[in-house]
Amino acid sequence: QKEVEQDPGPLSVPEGAIVSLNCTYSNSAFQYFMWYRQYSRKGPELLMYTYSSGNKEDGRFTAQVDKSSKYISLFIRDSQPSDSATYLCAITSGTYKYIFGTGTRLKVLA
Amino acid sequence: DTAVSQTPKYLVTQMGNDKSIKCEQNLGHDTMYWYKQDSKKFLKIMFSYNNKELIINETVPNRFSPKSPDKAHLNLHINSLELGDSAVYFCASSQGSGSRGIDTQYFGPGTRLTVL
Repeated sequence: QKEVEQDPGPLSVPEGAIVSLNCTYSNSAFQYFMWYRQYSRKGPELLMYTYSSGNKEDGRFTAQVDKSSKYISLFIRDSQPSDSATYLCAITSGTYKYIFGTGTRLKVLA
Repeated sequence: DTAVSQTPKYLVTQMGNDKSIKCEQNLGHDTMYWYKQDSKKFLKIMFSYNNKELIINETVPNRFSPKSPDKAHLNLHINSLELGDSAVYFCASSQGSGSRGIDTQYFGPGTRLTVL
């Protein structure tokens, strides 16, 4: 079993839709949960992170962690064509080592 | 101002050759990383250096040798290149020692390596 599982997509949605991206993980020792966004032919950039369980909101983006079910989510409200990218979840126990999901490719259609 | 830069951006070479990729960060960070991203976008850590010392060394063939001449630079040398080495290689850096809470990693633009 991989440490982090993520549906690779692709996921196509119309502009303005609410997008839900998800990851599951296997090791309950992980405490930090991150979402990176990667545009085509660019490096990943940190979108947001959460510590332990709960929600965190930043503009149109909401990150959610449910440690009891080892499930992390990223919601994008009012999705825009500029949100089209690959979204990678990443987890860490607080050490230098990040473990990334395979990424979900999102396409928002104008 | 580019925070984490890599050269070259593209590298096309023949099997069996030796090549190097350079990385530099101007963020004043203590820790630097090399990641490999395969064709399915899976991003996997290879090495990490903190203050020029190797702290993470994943299961990587010893044809890959990282070198950190100083805190701001981490280069990757690859000997006897194989077809399976074709991928995008990302350098990253983080504040590292002394950081509180999450140690955010900042990625470079990547080097696309193609081995023919």
